[in-house]
Amino acid sequence: EDQVTQSPEALRLQEGESSSLNCSYTVSGLRGLFWYRQDPGKGPEFLFTLYSAGEEKEKERLKATLTKKESFLHITAPKPEDSATYLCAVPISGNTGKLIFGQGTTLQVKP
Amino acid sequence: GAVVSQHPSRVICKSGTSVKIECRSLDFQATTMFWYRQFPKQSLMLMATSNEGSKATYEQGVEKDKFLINHASLTLSTLTVTSAHPEDSSFYICSASRGAGQETQYFGPGTRLLVL
Repeated sequence: EDQVTQSPEALRLQEGESSSLNCSYTVSGLRGLFWYRQDPGKGPEFLFTLYSAGEEKEKERLKATLTKKESFLHITAPKPEDSATYLCAVPISGNTGKLIFGQGTTLQVKP
Repeated sequence: GAVVSQHPSRVICKSGTSVKIECRSLDFQATTMFWYRQFPKQSLMLMATSNEGSKATYEQGVEKDKFLINHASLTLSTLTVTSAHPEDSSFYICSASRGAGQETQYFGPGTRLLVL
């Protein structure tokens, strides 16, 4: 059964305190892993797509990495504006285009 | 870019009325559009998948006669909540993908529906 699990559920950091968010997945035939950022009351904002183990992508203070079983979203020297819920998702088995989402990690960065 | 818009952003209606929500891909052609519902502090729940020119595919437990979806063009999909009731109050979000092997979904900003 396809499954996506994110941890931790919530994370509080001080400004400048680097950390990582985890996304573990179980799916047959990975066709991409997606990271999104969601602010309260808004739709998810696309961050990254990773396709193969070993791939890395960066955007400002964020770096996403991928292995055969999990993905990490590394946040370097976070700022309060990085506070949001971070969602990861993978396409479900079968070519429907549907995504299965993790429950998200809510990040709070305090000044 | 890949910009998706939704209209309206917020709607308040009386119980029993119907509400239409529009989802547009502004700078790309969306072969497939998706409609989600999100409850407070929960993740996204897929309601239905629509491909341009064909009938929407609804997820288990989603009433197709309650939530009418039309995907008339490659840039527009609409969700109509018919005879809305207070329990339909929620945050509705659409997403769009280019299809043809490109599975990245780009999300709209969401529509907050409140049924009184």
